[in-house]
Amino acid sequence: GENVEQHPSTLSVQEGDSAVIKCTYSDSASNYFPWYKQELGKRPQLIIDIRSNVGEKKDQRIAVTLNKTAKHFSLHITETQPEDSAVYFCAASMRYSTLTFGKGTMLLVSP
Amino acid sequence: EPEVTQTPSHQVTQMGQEVILRCVPISNHLYFYWYRQILGQKVEFLVSFYNNEISEKSEIFDDQFSVERPDGSNFTLKIRSTKLEDSAMYFCASTRDNEQFFGPGTRLTVL
Repeated sequence: GENVEQHPSTLSVQEGDSAVIKCTYSDSASNYFPWYKQELGKRPQLIIDIRSNVGEKKDQRIAVTLNKTAKHFSLHITETQPEDSAVYFCAASMRYSTLTFGKGTMLLVSP
Repeated sequence: EPEVTQTPSHQVTQMGQEVILRCVPISNHLYFYWYRQILGQKVEFLVSFYNNEISEKSEIFDDQFSVERPDGSNFTLKIRSTKLEDSAMYFCASTRDNEQFFGPGTRLTVL
């Protein structure tokens, strides 16, 4: 089955800095890669996703890149704000199939 | 905007008791999922459901677990004889395509 590795497990940045979280996946058949943000005690919320037919996608301060050959994808957050502090999970799946999650990255943005 | 809902928000039970966790997926979604998240850990897939039958299940989803869609709206997860290690947050999710929308979760505490 699919295996997703995520790094780092914790990331501390100053407000205004950029943050990068990286994930690798094992199953070359995976074609959908979402990123979820989870605040303490809350549900995972989708913040951005990318399908395997594109290499990069951007939504305001958030971007995701995908390298299918190397089987890795990354989340980039620019101009970080304290409200970006949360746990971020990457995931991989095939269409309609289950999501396999990484172990999560706790992002702490200090004012 | 429609949301996945779950009840109860918190369930406390004694070891060996049966529990039923309830979910109402988004009405025009066709694929339904249960995930669990042990405190401080990643989200783990349990089971997926499509066209009134299980389409995929994980190793965690043993004979103690069952799922049902008893009517056109509800989607339930039953744990027949709870164990201490079943204590976790259980999330229901649904989708029409790739993007999975998560419910707010049910925190299950087994004493």
